[in-house]
Amino acid sequence: QKEVEQNSGPLSVPEGAIASLNCTYSDRGSQSFFWYRQYSGKSPELIMFIYSNGDKEDGRFTAQLNKASQYVSLLIRDSQPSDSATYLCAVIGSNYKLTFGKGTLLTVNP
Amino acid sequence: GAVVSQHPSWVICKSGTSVKIECRSLDFQATTMFWYRQFPKQSLMLMATSNEGSKATYEQGVEKDKFLINHASLTLSTLTVTSAHPEDSSFYICSAKVFGGASYNEQFFGPGTRLTVL
Repeated sequence: QKEVEQNSGPLSVPEGAIASLNCTYSDRGSQSFFWYRQYSGKSPELIMFIYSNGDKEDGRFTAQLNKASQYVSLLIRDSQPSDSATYLCAVIGSNYKLTFGKGTLLTVNP
Repeated sequence: GAVVSQHPSWVICKSGTSVKIECRSLDFQATTMFWYRQFPKQSLMLMATSNEGSKATYEQGVEKDKFLINHASLTLSTLTVTSAHPEDSSFYICSAKVFGGASYNEQFFGPGTRLTVL
């Protein structure tokens, strides 16, 4: 069973703060890692993908990957109320299928 | 670019009827499309992988005779929920991979279809 684990939250941060979202995965053969944002009643939208160990930055978002620890994180700097959503971690494992975590609900308070 | 549409966006039907959901890649060709299902407060679960011109591959526990998938062209895949029952009520989301795309393994998601079976 390929598993992707996330803290369901809710994670509550004040506006302007850094939100830190974490994800672990069980399949050591995983090669591709994605963060999606999902608003209530909507389908997921891709925020970032990362394939190599280390950090990848895109605007206010930074994805971090540590394959040895089987750990992926997403940092959101200068959090805005519009960032309030469920963040889904997804992994393409050795079976070449995209497996999603249950998501972390983030609330950014004005 | 890389826009995926779904139709309808929501549907309500009576128990025992069949419902067809369309998934289209609007500005690219998709040799592979995926169908997911999401129950409230749950994550997306892959139901099946659909390849153009061949039979779909279903995940364990998904009834292929109940969830009929047709991928007749590089831009269209359909999911038909046959003899729908209330437990089939869910949010159905398709995604598509870009054929020959530079973005390795990236899937583009449709807006989803909310199915309610009475």
